[in-house]
Amino acid sequence: AQSVTQLDSQVPVFEEAPVELRCNYSSSVSVYLFWYVQYPNQGLQLLLKYLSGSTLVESINGFEAEFNKSQTSFHLRKPSVHISDTAEYFCAVSDPKGGYQKVTFGTGTKLQVIP
Amino acid sequence: DAGITQSPRHKVTETGTPVTLRCHQTENHRYMYWYRQDPGHGLRLIHYSYGVKDTDKGEVSDGYSVSRSKTEDFLLTLESATSSQTSVYFCASRQPQSTDTQYFGPGTRLTVL
Repeated sequence: AQSVTQLDSQVPVFEEAPVELRCNYSSSVSVYLFWYVQYPNQGLQLLLKYLSGSTLVESINGFEAEFNKSQTSFHLRKPSVHISDTAEYFCAVSDPKGGYQKVTFGTGTKLQVIP
Repeated sequence: DAGITQSPRHKVTETGTPVTLRCHQTENHRYMYWYRQDPGHGLRLIHYSYGVKDTDKGEVSDGYSVSRSKTEDFLLTLESATSSQTSVYFCASRQPQSTDTQYFGPGTRLTVL
């Protein structure tokens, strides 16, 4: 069975400061890893994903995440946050060979950007 | 963005009444999923479908049933709603390839009084 732990339920950060949202996963097999973002009153949108290859993946709006197999982590970082980044962020994992591509989500981290 | 809609977007109902939520996608995705989102729990899988008339239970399926008679529609039914089913419900869909992305609908906020 696979699981995801997001260590922080809320992260307040000042505008233009860097941020790291932590994610650790547990799985006995190889994994695909995802970060989703949920803006207020909206559904989830894929922010970035790791499938294979380079362990550093980037999104179009400046976020990046690094797959660390030895530490079973997939932390999300941004060097300088904007007010518009205020949202809830979910880390997720799936088994590439698992049945019907079910995804297991973490409990979410609310990022609050303070002006 | 994938075309996934959910109806209704908001619903208030009373304990013991039946409720059906609808998910409609226009992407011809084969796989579809129903999740519920609750504070402190993230998203939890209720049921999923891997084709027309092919469905299976997720981790929190008690009290819920689903049906999929067409590729584009996936219905979630609460046979007799309870207050513990007050939640935000999300539908998602995707193609079977493991590298494909799961796309989410806008959600339905259900309140059971």
